[in-house]
Amino acid sequence: SQKIEQNSEALNIQEGKTATLTCNYTNYSPAYLQWYRQDPGRGPVFLLLIRENEKEKRKERLKVTFDTTLKQSLFHITASQPADSATYLCALNTGTASKLTFGTGTRLQVTL
Amino acid sequence: GAVVSQHPSRVICKSGTSVKIECRSLDFQATTMFWYRQFPKQSLMLMATSNEGSKATYEQGVEKDKFLINHASLTLSTLTVTSAHPEDSSFYICSADSQSRTQETQYFGPGTRLLVL
Repeated sequence: SQKIEQNSEALNIQEGKTATLTCNYTNYSPAYLQWYRQDPGRGPVFLLLIRENEKEKRKERLKVTFDTTLKQSLFHITASQPADSATYLCALNTGTASKLTFGTGTRLQVTL
Repeated sequence: GAVVSQHPSRVICKSGTSVKIECRSLDFQATTMFWYRQFPKQSLMLMATSNEGSKATYEQGVEKDKFLINHASLTLSTLTVTSAHPEDSSFYICSADSQSRTQETQYFGPGTRLLVL
């Protein structure tokens, strides 16, 4: 069966450290993968997109890697801040056009 | 840029009534709009995909007669929950992709919290 798995347990890290979130998938062959941030009671906000032929993408303190052999993406936030606390969702392009299927999300809590 | 709005942000209704939720792309024209539902502590589940001027495509298990979608223009899509029941209480989120921007990125609305009593 098709699955997109993210660590359902919350990730607690100290301010200034690097947070690493994992997204694993099975039985999909996405053309691209995206990461979104979602705050409680709000809609997701787009962060980064990485294509199947790209290994790594960076944007300011964010870095995404994509390993289509392992069927895994890693999302890193360096020099994390309390304001980075949120739920982070990975999403795969899984059909025609821009259709996305989302993982369950991982809640990140950055403490002082 | 790429702002998507939803109205209302919250709605409480009685069981058996219908509720309409609007989704607007404010500064771009949306080729396609998507409707998602999110239950507490769960991820977004795609309900349907709508293209302007054509019938929506519903995901498996989503009743098209219960969740009516109208995509009348390139900037407006509506979702009507007909004969709502308590189990329809959820967070409904729309998104849109853009004709002029990259169609790979979806821009999400702020969501509508529906509570059916």
